[in-house]
Amino acid sequence: SQKIEQNSEALNIQEGKTATLTCNYTNYSPAYLQWYRQDPGRGPVFLLLIRENEKEKRKERLKVTFDTTLKQSLFHITASQPADSATYLCALLSGTYKYIFGTGTRLKVLA
Amino acid sequence: KAGVTQTPRYLIKTRGQQVTLSCSPISGHRSVSWYQQTPGQGLQFLFEYFSETQRNKGNFPGRFSGRQFSNSRSEMNVSTLELGDSALYLCASSGGLAGAERADTQYFGPGTRLTVL
Repeated sequence: SQKIEQNSEALNIQEGKTATLTCNYTNYSPAYLQWYRQDPGRGPVFLLLIRENEKEKRKERLKVTFDTTLKQSLFHITASQPADSATYLCALLSGTYKYIFGTGTRLKVLA
Repeated sequence: KAGVTQTPRYLIKTRGQQVTLSCSPISGHRSVSWYQQTPGQGLQFLFEYFSETQRNKGNFPGRFSGRQFSNSRSEMNVSTLELGDSALYLCASSGGLAGAERADTQYFGPGTRLTVL
């Protein structure tokens, strides 16, 4: 069956370090993958999209990689700040018009 | 541009009752998707509507239904509520054109927190 897993439920890192979050999927061949940020009590907010033919994408302090052979995406936040503390979700388009989300990784950046 | 709005924000119901939640998408967006979010299961896809037609649905019982109006506003209904239906219900709007990055990006509302007692 189709499945998306995010490496850990929670991740604590020190301010200034690089946070790396992992999204693994099985039984999909997605055309692209998205990353979202969700703060407590709020809906997810879109951050980045990476297509299957793109190895890497960057936006300010964010970097996403996509390895279709390993069926894995890595999401990096460089020079992390306490304001980056949130839950990060990866999402794939399964078939048409149906998004499947990972369960999320709760990131806490310690000052 | 106004974001996605959902009403009500909070709702308390008892088992057996039914509930209707409303979602107004971003102006110009024609696709509305609904999700259920719980601590144990994460974000689970309920269904997606585009131009008043349901294009896809998730694995939820028939007690969960939805519709979309000609102005793209959408409602979802849950009948015969069960305790397990307690969750945050999120709707997301997008342009609805598969394969187009900007059109496919989903914009979420703040959600409706439903508590079933």
